[in-house]
Amino acid sequence: EAGVAQSPRYKIIEKRQSVAFWCNPISGHATLYWYQQILGQGPKLLIQFQNNGVVDDSQLPKDRFSAERLKGVDSTLKIQPAKLEDSAVYLCASSLRGEGHETQYFGPGTRLLVL
Amino acid sequence: AQSVTQPDIHITVSEGASLELRCNYSYGATPYLFWYVQSPGQGLQLLLKYFSGDTLVQGIKGFEAEFKRSQSSFNLRKPSVHWSDAAEYFCAVGANTGGFKTIFGAGTRLFVKA
Repeated sequence: EAGVAQSPRYKIIEKRQSVAFWCNPISGHATLYWYQQILGQGPKLLIQFQNNGVVDDSQLPKDRFSAERLKGVDSTLKIQPAKLEDSAVYLCASSLRGEGHETQYFGPGTRLLVL
Repeated sequence: AQSVTQPDIHITVSEGASLELRCNYSYGATPYLFWYVQSPGQGLQLLLKYFSGDTLVQGIKGFEAEFKRSQSSFNLRKPSVHWSDAAEYFCAVGANTGGFKTIFGAGTRLFVKA
C-alpha cells in the first residue's frame, strides 16, 4: 500500500513570495490533515478535511494561508505572501475516517525555508 | 484547554539500557493517547496508542506505554535501547473539540551512545 505522498520535499523562497505544497493521501482515506512543525516544536494542526469539506481550520492563518481538497482526494496548501516565521516543515497526514482513536499516517513533509 | 507536556527536551541513554520517556496530558475526559516517532528527514510513525481497555499498551519496535489516569500520564518505555532508536518522540492526545483534533507535545529527542 502506498503511503502519503508530498511534494516538493524542500523549498527555499524569499519573503513575500508565494509557495504551494501538494499532498496525496492514502487511497480510501477520507480525512486529510495539514500540520506545521516549527523547529523544536511538535506538529500543529493547520487544517483538517473530511472528504472535500473543512472540519477544522481554526489555527490556519487565513490572511496568508489557503488550502483546498477539491475532489476529496489530493490537496494543496498555499502560502501567499510568505513570512520569515513560516519557515517550518509542513506535514500532510491522512486517516480512514477521522475518528479520535484512528492512526494518522504521515508523509515525509516539505521543508520550507523563507529568506 | 487540552495540552500535552513532555518534560524532557532530550535524553541520552547507553545502548542496551532501559528507556522511559515522560508524557503528561491535560484533558477533561478519557483521552485517546498516542506515541509517534520521527526519524531525521521522515514523517511521523505511530508506535502505539491507547483509547480503552488494558492500560499497558504494547507497540512496535519493542515499545510499551502505560496509561495512568491518576497521574494524567502516558509514559513510553523500552527495556533495552538499540542505536536505531535514536530519533524524536512525540506524545499526543486526541481531543474531542467538536471534531477530533490531535494535539502534540513538543517532543523528546533521544540520543543513544555506544
